[in-house]
Amino acid sequence: DIQMTQSPSSLSASIGDRVTITCRASQGISNYLAWFQQKPGKAPKSLIYAASSLQSGVPSKFSGSGSGTDFTLTISTLQPEDFATYYCQQYSVYPLTFGGGTKVEI
Amino acid sequence: QLQLQESGPGLVKPSETLSLTCTVSGGSISSSNYYWGWIRQPPGKGLEWIASFYYSGSTYYNPSLKSRVTLSVDTSKNQFSLKLSSVTAADTAVYYCARRLYGSGIDYWGQGTLVTVSS
Repeated sequence: DIQMTQSPSSLSASIGDRVTITCRASQGISNYLAWFQQKPGKAPKSLIYAASSLQSGVPSKFSGSGSGTDFTLTISTLQPEDFATYYCQQYSVYPLTFGGGTKVEI
Repeated sequence: QLQLQESGPGLVKPSETLSLTCTVSGGSISSSNYYWGWIRQPPGKGLEWIASFYYSGSTYYNPSLKSRVTLSVDTSKNQFSLKLSSVTAADTAVYYCARRLYGSGIDYWGQGTLVTVSS
């Protein structure tokens, strides 16, 4: 199985900050990488697919980059609604696997 | 607007079989190029992919669960189902159904349903 490692596991940030989350795959996955946002008690929301493409309706403050084994999710200007847990997922090979999550706190 | 809705018992006894159904509205599970599947999340923990099927009929299972998982599809009702046998407390989780486009990431999720395994 491909292991997805996210860092940090949690971070504290302030409104207006630029935040970057890293996701590393245990082997190359090309750009078959997605990012999700999850708020407490809610289903995950899809943000990015193909490492850098925004899902429909997702604001441009979210951006993704990377290819191969190293990927990043950046939130350009943190707003109150962005405090949540973020997950990466590879869909290059089965079984599909998720990172452990990064909790973004105030 | 596509919607997915999970349904099924919220409480299952240990050693029994967990059964859930995902009802899709606003789109067809027979549409070309889409995968449909199940993902779970134990309380306070991360996400785990369980299984998926492709519109053409191919199925894919997480090896860690494969021996206990059965997927079924009812195109007439636009539903697909998950059965997980011989459950234990470790199977307690919120179960989500989801759709993924071929070559792309998951774009739609159900709201999730909590299944507790307890006697």
